[in-house]
Amino acid sequence: DTGVSQNPRHKITKRGQNVTFRCDPISEHNRLYWYRQTLGQGPEFLTYFQNEAQLEKSRLLSDRFSAERPKGSFSTLEIQRTEQGDSAMYLCASSGTPATNEKLFFGSGTQLSVL
Amino acid sequence: AQSVTQLDSHVSVSEGTPVLLRCNYSSSYSPSLFWYVQHPNKGLQLLLKYTSAATLVKGINGFEAEFKKSETSFHLTKPSAHMSDAAEYFCVVSDPSGGSYIPTFGRGTSLIVHP
Repeated sequence: DTGVSQNPRHKITKRGQNVTFRCDPISEHNRLYWYRQTLGQGPEFLTYFQNEAQLEKSRLLSDRFSAERPKGSFSTLEIQRTEQGDSAMYLCASSGTPATNEKLFFGSGTQLSVL
Repeated sequence: AQSVTQLDSHVSVSEGTPVLLRCNYSSSYSPSLFWYVQHPNKGLQLLLKYTSAATLVKGINGFEAEFKKSETSFHLTKPSAHMSDAAEYFCVVSDPSGGSYIPTFGRGTSLIVHP
């Protein structure tokens, strides 16, 4: 178990630029989640995958956000035309199956700063 | 829809005294409930989980939580606080509302431990 890996750890970008984050889950886990966390708040759900299928997406999520998980392995989260309000910690988590009550294994996150 | 409310944003205790972190949940189903801990500059880690077995759940580092359906509560306790317990604690609820189990986090409680 090598854990959940996220890259980069930090990303600084200018408003209007596109950014992409990568998450490598634990290899045998088929569920992958993306959350966003701002200072003083709990993680907020963005989207999740079961294998390569994106099964749920938060209704609060702007269409500037897109996520993929090709071949059910690693996942990428892209934010287009970044805004200052996108500044946050982006967390990835994975879990095994059956996943109804499996614990989430979290990565260390990608801290995004939009200037 | 599921939700969770952490009643205190900060809890301050002296080392060696009991810890109580309060959590109330809302769910139309029999939910799974979790407590996660986040130490500064570290990833989220599972403390314990409740999944409809014993109502008193024991976790790591001496923490435990009791599920009380009548009160819709899942409070986290520890008999004696240690300096290393200082961290952010998140209560999490997960149920099949909407057809998917999406863990929903509370806003967090910051535990401060004084020497």
